[in-house]
Amino acid sequence: EVQLVESGGGLVQPGRSMKLSCAASGFTFNNYDMAWVCQAPKKGLEWVATISYDGSSTYYRDSVKGRFTISRDNAKSTLYLQMDSLRSEDTATYYCARVSTCFDYWGQGVMVTVSS
Amino acid sequence: DIQMTQSLASLSASLEEIVTITCQASQDIGNWLAWYQQKPGKSPQLLIHSATSLADGIPSRFSGSRSGTQYSLKISRLQVEDTGIYYCLQRYSKYTFGAGTKLELK
Repeated sequence: EVQLVESGGGLVQPGRSMKLSCAASGFTFNNYDMAWVCQAPKKGLEWVATISYDGSSTYYRDSVKGRFTISRDNAKSTLYLQMDSLRSEDTATYYCARVSTCFDYWGQGVMVTVSS
Repeated sequence: DIQMTQSLASLSASLEEIVTITCQASQDIGNWLAWYQQKPGKSPQLLIHSATSLADGIPSRFSGSRSGTQYSLKISRLQVEDTGIYYCLQRYSKYTFGAGTKLELK
C-alpha cells in the first residue's frame, strides 16, 4: 500500500525557515518524480514544486522560487521541502504527492502557519 | 501559464441525478488532465487521469471526457458520498488546478 506521511509543520514567524519531510513507503521511491502541493485555508489547491526521480531536476511555482528548495533522499525514501523567508501568504496545508500521469497518491498534509 | 477554468463554483443536485462538472483549458493540453475529489479535512483523491481513464478503486459511475480544450467529469447516478469539492488539474506544462466546484445534495 502506498503511504506518504508528512511531518515538520507548525507555527513559524514571518521571515523564518521551516523544513517539511515526507516519508514514503509501499512503492519504489526512486522510480518516481515527487511534488509538493499546498492549500491555503478555505482555498483551492496550488502546485508548489516538483523534483525528478533522481533529484537532478527541480521545478517551482514563481511565488516560491528562490525561497523554497525541494530535495529528496532516495536511500531514506524521503522527500523534503526547505522553506526560507516565509511570508504570511505561505500559510497553508502542504501535501506531498507522487507524480505519475498526475498526482496519483497524496499524503494527509501538514499545516504551516506563518504568523507573528 | 496555462489557466484552468471551472466556471461553476458550486452545484446542487439530487440523489441518482446525472451531474456534469466542466473545466476549460486556456490552450491545448492534450489528455494531460486529471480530476480529484476532496472532502473536508481530507487530502484530494484521484478520480480520473489522462482525461478519460478511471483511477483504481473508483466507482464506474464516474467518467471523464474531452472535447477540444473542454474537459468534463460526469457522475452518472449521484450518491450521498459524492458530495465534496472537485478539482481539475493540467500537467501539460507545469501544473495548474482549477478553482474547484463544490457539489452538494439538494
